[in-house]
Amino acid sequence: KAGVTQTPRYLIKTRGQQVTLSCSPISGHRSVSWYQQTPGQGLQFLFEYFSETQRNKGNFPGRFSGRQFSNSRSEMNVSTLELGDSALYLCASEPSGAGRTGELFFGEGSRLTVL
Amino acid sequence: GNSVTQMEGPVTLSEEAFLTINCTYTATGYPSLFWYVQYPGEGLQLLLKATKADDKGSNKGFEATYRKETTSFHLEKGSVQVSDSAVYFCALKDTGGGNKLTFGTGTQLKVEL
Repeated sequence: KAGVTQTPRYLIKTRGQQVTLSCSPISGHRSVSWYQQTPGQGLQFLFEYFSETQRNKGNFPGRFSGRQFSNSRSEMNVSTLELGDSALYLCASEPSGAGRTGELFFGEGSRLTVL
Repeated sequence: GNSVTQMEGPVTLSEEAFLTINCTYTATGYPSLFWYVQYPGEGLQLLLKATKADDKGSNKGFEATYRKETTSFHLEKGSVQVSDSAVYFCALKDTGGGNKLTFGTGTQLKVEL
């Protein structure tokens, strides 16, 4: 069974640009969440999607947005990039219904560098 | 709001030494507690979990007990190996539904021969 797949793995952008990151969850997982990991702030929750609906949102500015498609794949977008947006962005998926154990399955992340 | 506090790293140990990484939490209700591990260049993997008070999670020689009275979930291993070198994160998930995790800052462990 394939794990959580995130693309791209690495990318470099300049301030003011926007970026879109993609996440394909494990087959059958309908819940997808996103986290930002930085050396200074650690791991911070961005948002969670379930069945194409945002179920929960962290304390990030409106420049950070996301969506989920009918096949459970998810994208997150960051507009008007700032230097402080440089981070590893992690996606995680979780089984639903009877298969739910509380465990999140993480991808390897997309490392964004903003210059 | 919820919060997780874990000991600062890095922690450097010799192989076969005893490991303790402290973790305490603040939350309303009865959260589920987790330890995740991140190896270099990889995403996070679940190491162990506990869902109610006095539960003991265990995996790969690691253990942690959910202590409601001290709001703690300390990670222990009796004999560490070089392959255990990684960053360890304590986390909680509250009972409000959804899958939002609140993480501690992470503790880097380095095990030397």
